[in-house]
Amino acid sequence: QVQLVESGGGVVQPGGSLRLSCAASGFTFRNSGMHWVRQAPGKGLEWVAFIWHDGSNKYYADSVRGRFTISRDNSKNTLFLQMNSLRAEDTAIYYCANDPCAGNICYSIYWGQGTLVSVSS
Amino acid sequence: EIVLTQSPDFQSVTPKEKVTITCRASQSIGHSLHWYQQKPDQSPKLLIKYASQSISGVPSRFSGSGSGTDFTLTINSLEAEDAATYYCHQSSNLPLTFGGGTRVEIK
Repeated sequence: QVQLVESGGGVVQPGGSLRLSCAASGFTFRNSGMHWVRQAPGKGLEWVAFIWHDGSNKYYADSVRGRFTISRDNSKNTLFLQMNSLRAEDTAIYYCANDPCAGNICYSIYWGQGTLVSVSS
Repeated sequence: EIVLTQSPDFQSVTPKEKVTITCRASQSIGHSLHWYQQKPDQSPKLLIKYASQSISGVPSRFSGSGSGTDFTLTINSLEAEDAATYYCHQSSNLPLTFGGGTRVEIK
């Protein structure tokens, strides 16, 4: 079955950096687009970024563009989110999710359990 | 940015009752509207894709309808396990956006 396992979350000071990972299994990773979506404590869902199946195209929410970078390693079935210049408002659970479309955005099918990022001094 | 407005924000419902949740888009998104269920301390689960297409493994009491700017999620004969927050989500335009959520409580 599909498994998405996020890791790399933790507590970081404002202005700091973190790199999140998402290990995928149970589907053909190299054929799937991938999303990052976050959820601040007690709040709703916010889309963060999307990457095409081959990494050739990437899209970002305005709130993270220029600070976050989405990438993937298809040889290791792993998705990444490099987060720099972190702010208090980036505090959230970060989920990865797979998309059935390779070169287009369709929808998120399966979601991981999430990893918590807390930005605090 | 396309804004999705869900209503109501909260609904308290008795088992076997019918639940209707609406999602209105700030501009036309065709059928590119999807519904998710999130139970406490769990990740979201896809219920309906492209406004009305069913998802394998999702109970048939969940259905969706609509197009353009107005969409509806219907839960027929609510069960206790349906207590959750429901989100609509559009994939028509970047940035992708979600509705604010509708929390359904079982009386």
